[in-house]
Amino acid sequence: QQQVKQSPQSLIVQKGGISIINCAYENTAFDYFPWYQQFPGKGPALLIAIRPDVSEKKEGRFTISFNKSAKQFSLHIMDSQPGDSATYFCAASIEAAGNKLTFGGGTRVLVKP
Amino acid sequence: EAQVTQNPRYLITVTGKKLTVTCSQNMNHEYMSWYRQDPGLGLRQIYYSMNVEVTDKGDVPEGYKVSRKEKRNFPLILESPSPNQTSLYFCASRFLPTITGGELFFGEGSRLTVL
Repeated sequence: QQQVKQSPQSLIVQKGGISIINCAYENTAFDYFPWYQQFPGKGPALLIAIRPDVSEKKEGRFTISFNKSAKQFSLHIMDSQPGDSATYFCAASIEAAGNKLTFGGGTRVLVKP
Repeated sequence: EAQVTQNPRYLITVTGKKLTVTCSQNMNHEYMSWYRQDPGLGLRQIYYSMNVEVTDKGDVPEGYKVSRKEKRNFPLILESPSPNQTSLYFCASRFLPTITGGELFFGEGSRLTVL
């Protein structure tokens, strides 16, 4: 039973385009939603995170949109660059329960020059 | 440099031959965890530790053991590896308690193949 479902599994976008990755969760107790970025041969690293008290968070070209009623959140990469080519994982956790992260299945993003 | 170090990075072994993957962090983190990464399944937690001598099962603990005798080290032990344990393994650590959500710091991964 996958508590956080991520889509698509992979996507190809042209340089300058917008990459959109979607995640849906089941557990309404989740209260922390980070995104991790993983380059080939490296471990994941925290990219950006959001809590359900806001609907959007932006850091540079990366934006998280959060829809609490739909139990969905998404990552938008604006003006995608070849250096953004990586695997992206969404995750969710309950802070009061020790913040154990439940990860989505991952999305491999390829930005073509 | 703050880091999580895993060894070995690559390992090919045979069914039933005990192996240990070491993990060490230099950030004085209380929390350490092991994950396995498989295509389409994301990162699944194997075991975690909240502090020295405190360990607990994650989502997929079968076939694995861990120990936490020192704060900085958290080895993953496969007593009798099987082919279904062929995977990419990550060790991660962070501080406790979490105020800002708790950023996890990952090692660079250990790719294990069991023949």
